[in-house]
Amino acid sequence: GENVEQHPSTLSVQEGDSAVIKCTYSDSASNYFPWYKQELGKRPQLIIDIRSNVGEKKDQRIAVTLNKTAKHFSLHITETQPEDSAVYFCAAGGYQKVTFGIGTKLQVIP
Amino acid sequence: EAGVVQSPRYKIIEKKQPVAFWCNPISGHNTLYWYRQNLGQGPELLIRYENEEAVDDSQLPKDRFSAERLKGVDSTLKIQPAELGDSAVYLCASSLGDGLGEQYFGPGTRLTVT
Repeated sequence: GENVEQHPSTLSVQEGDSAVIKCTYSDSASNYFPWYKQELGKRPQLIIDIRSNVGEKKDQRIAVTLNKTAKHFSLHITETQPEDSAVYFCAAGGYQKVTFGIGTKLQVIP
Repeated sequence: EAGVVQSPRYKIIEKKQPVAFWCNPISGHNTLYWYRQNLGQGPELLIRYENEEAVDDSQLPKDRFSAERLKGVDSTLKIQPAELGDSAVYLCASSLGDGLGEQYFGPGTRLTVT
């Protein structure tokens, strides 16, 4: 089955700086890579996703890049704000099933 | 539009007792997932339903866990008997099942086994 590794496990940045979270996956057949944000005590929510026919996708301050050859993908958050503080999960798989990474706890320091 | 509903939100039981969790997905969502999330970890899939059919239950510990989705709408996950290691948050999610991929999660049930 799919194996997803995510790092770092924790990340602290100053408000306004950028944050980058990286993930690798093992199954070359994976073609769907979503990112979820989970605030403390709340449910995971999709923030952005990318499909294997695309190398990069942007949505305002967040972007995701995908390198299928190397089997890794990354989340980039620019101009971080305190409300970006949360746990971020990457995932990889197909449209009906994904495997999640262990999460990255992002702390944005005002 | 109502989101995914789960109940109860919290449950404390003694080991060896049974427990059940209920999930009502978003209306029209054919695919339903049950995940277990341990502290500091990502969600781990227990079982996935397409309508009323369990299409992926390879990670479900079948000696003590069972699930059903009889009419292809709401679902129940049961543990009997519970063990200390079952303490976790149990998340239900649903998706349209039309190939777009996005899963919508419920608020979860936090289970504590003492």
